[in-house]
Amino acid sequence: DTGVSQNPRHKITKRGQNVTFRCDPISEHNRLYWYRQTLGQGPEFLTYFQNEAQLEKSRLLSDRFSAERPKGSFSTLEIQRTEQGDSAMYLCASSSVTYEQYFGPGTRLTVT
Amino acid sequence: QKEVEQNSGPLSVPEGAIASLNCTYSDRVSQSFFWYRQYSGKSPELIMSIYSNGDKEDGRFTAQLNKASQYVSLLIRDSQPSDSATYLCAVEPGSGGYNKLIFGAGTRLAVHP
Repeated sequence: DTGVSQNPRHKITKRGQNVTFRCDPISEHNRLYWYRQTLGQGPEFLTYFQNEAQLEKSRLLSDRFSAERPKGSFSTLEIQRTEQGDSAMYLCASSSVTYEQYFGPGTRLTVT
Repeated sequence: QKEVEQNSGPLSVPEGAIASLNCTYSDRVSQSFFWYRQYSGKSPELIMSIYSNGDKEDGRFTAQLNKASQYVSLLIRDSQPSDSATYLCAVEPGSGGYNKLIFGAGTRLAVHP
């Protein structure tokens, strides 16, 4: 399967704990995106990488959130000191020069 | 005003009918437009992309774009119960480069036998 993969698929954590999600993009795609989606809403942009460079961050991405893409391959999204409002589906997408973004299955985060 | 607006639905159509889904956007310089289908509990799946004014057809799906009216639509012909899902309209803002999508909240489509 050459699609976007994300791990874990589900994460339940207690408020105040740190969590880290991983995204593996389609192999030939140099652009990688993180979005967050809550119930009844469309995905909201969080951040974007071109190769290993993080080129844009949304205002939604508070200082508790950090993302990396070492060597321009997989990416990680870390949330520190989680809050109940962080509960959402975290989606990763990748694209090539055509700009069509393909999404992974997502990581569903529940903060209790 | 929201950047991308869609009717939340549900839009209910009988099997075999044409489903028409609409979307308006606020950024006049937007250049790229996408339709995604999302089944409950799943991630968005790309159905169509459209970049120029007019119609673009792919199987049972037709995307229509009118940049002057800032309007994009998706027609689904011969609707099937398996088409029942939420359809998300996404716009790539023209300013700032090709680096994100702005999504509407989606229209829920229900196709009944």
